[in-house]
Amino acid sequence: GIQVEQSPPDLILQEGANSTLRCNFSDSVNNLQWFHQNPWGQLINLFYIPSGTKQNGRLSATTVATERYSLLYISSSQTTDSGVYFCAVCLGNTPLVFGKGTRLSVIA
Amino acid sequence: DAGITQSPRHKVTETGTPVTLRCHQTENHRYMYWYRQDPGHGLRLIHYSYGVKDTDKGEVSDGYSVSRSKTEDFLLTLESATSSQTSVYFCAISDAASGGPSTDTQYFGPGTRLTVL
Repeated sequence: GIQVEQSPPDLILQEGANSTLRCNFSDSVNNLQWFHQNPWGQLINLFYIPSGTKQNGRLSATTVATERYSLLYISSSQTTDSGVYFCAVCLGNTPLVFGKGTRLSVIA
Repeated sequence: DAGITQSPRHKVTETGTPVTLRCHQTENHRYMYWYRQDPGHGLRLIHYSYGVKDTDKGEVSDGYSVSRSKTEDFLLTLESATSSQTSVYFCAISDAASGGPSTDTQYFGPGTRLTVL
């Protein structure tokens, strides 16, 4: 099945810094989503982005499907950005496969 | 926020007892999923449903069964709970506007923390 690798596994930032999270996947996909799990355990969908670029406030994401990677950019990070960021992919009528996540800690 | 609730939110039980977790949605979405989350493993799919009475196995289905008799409810049952099933369980939903779960955004419920002693 599809393999999903996220990097870095852990990231510590000072408030106000920018960061880039990466998701590599092993096969062609037609669905890629980014999720944020906050410190209280809630999982929130950030982007549905099988290809191209999207922006939502300080967050943006780019997927280059032909090269099998996606990037999540966080600008001017805030303490509320802390948590775990998951990338998930699938192809066809199959359920999403999740990476193991990047744990982000933003320090004031 | 998508209308997804899970019950109970916390449960402590003993090895060998049956346990049923409930996921309820108000979105009329076709697809429903059960995941477990454990440290070092991320989110792993247990079972999913693509319609009433239509279910399929996921990556870690051993020891679990599911049922979906109504669009809005998806039940996960541990027939005889074991300590290895101590975990946080998440339900998720998605719709399939054009044919399959790969085509739409997925939304998660708040989770159920299960401890098996």
